[in-house]
Amino acid sequence: DVKVTQSSRYLVKRTGEKVFLECVQDMDHENMFWYRQDPGLGLRLIYFSYDVKMKEKGDIPEGYSVSREKKERFSLILESASTNQTSMYLCASSYPGQEIATNEKLFFGSGTQLSVL
Amino acid sequence: AQSVTQPDIHITVSEGASLELRCNYSYGATPYLFWYVQSPGQGLQLLLKYFSGDTLVQGIKGFEAEFKRSQSSFNLRKPSVHWSDAAEYFCAADGEAAGNKLTFGGGTRVLVKP
Repeated sequence: DVKVTQSSRYLVKRTGEKVFLECVQDMDHENMFWYRQDPGLGLRLIYFSYDVKMKEKGDIPEGYSVSREKKERFSLILESASTNQTSMYLCASSYPGQEIATNEKLFFGSGTQLSVL
Repeated sequence: AQSVTQPDIHITVSEGASLELRCNYSYGATPYLFWYVQSPGQGLQLLLKYFSGDTLVQGIKGFEAEFKRSQSSFNLRKPSVHWSDAAEYFCAADGEAAGNKLTFGGGTRVLVKP
């Protein structure tokens, strides 16, 4: 069964801390994504990666960075957490090869609810 | 600006009644269109998608959506709602017209009354 695993369901951090959110997929997918989900704003794309060591900025990359050293793992990094980064973070992955749309079959993790105090 | 809009933030519907969720897109060409559902505490699950062809698309859980090019809309419908349909629903767009990245609307939360 397809699986995208996010390491933490809930996380509480202090302002200024460096925060790592980890995501692992077991489907050998090339594409991986980080979204944040806020009420009324839906999901907004932070960063994505179409291959190992490759990253592209999404719509709201400010205050975030990412790391993709291995195909199965995509990490989201908050260099210095701030209260406005309190949100639900969702990781997703997809395999582009056989699909019409690049992201036709996007598989999501269950999310990490991050609170920055 | 290119975007996906869901005008309704909340909808309350009685169990057994019909449901329609609105979605409008704004792109230069028709993007690929999707509806996702997120149940409480869960990730997102794909309900259905439209790429081309028949404008009425059938999905899982008894949902369907109709693409209307003239209205730039892709509304989701279900004839008879079950209590388990209480969730948040997201419309999304992808494909070359949408910059090859999945863009989501703001979501519509559906509450089901007994």
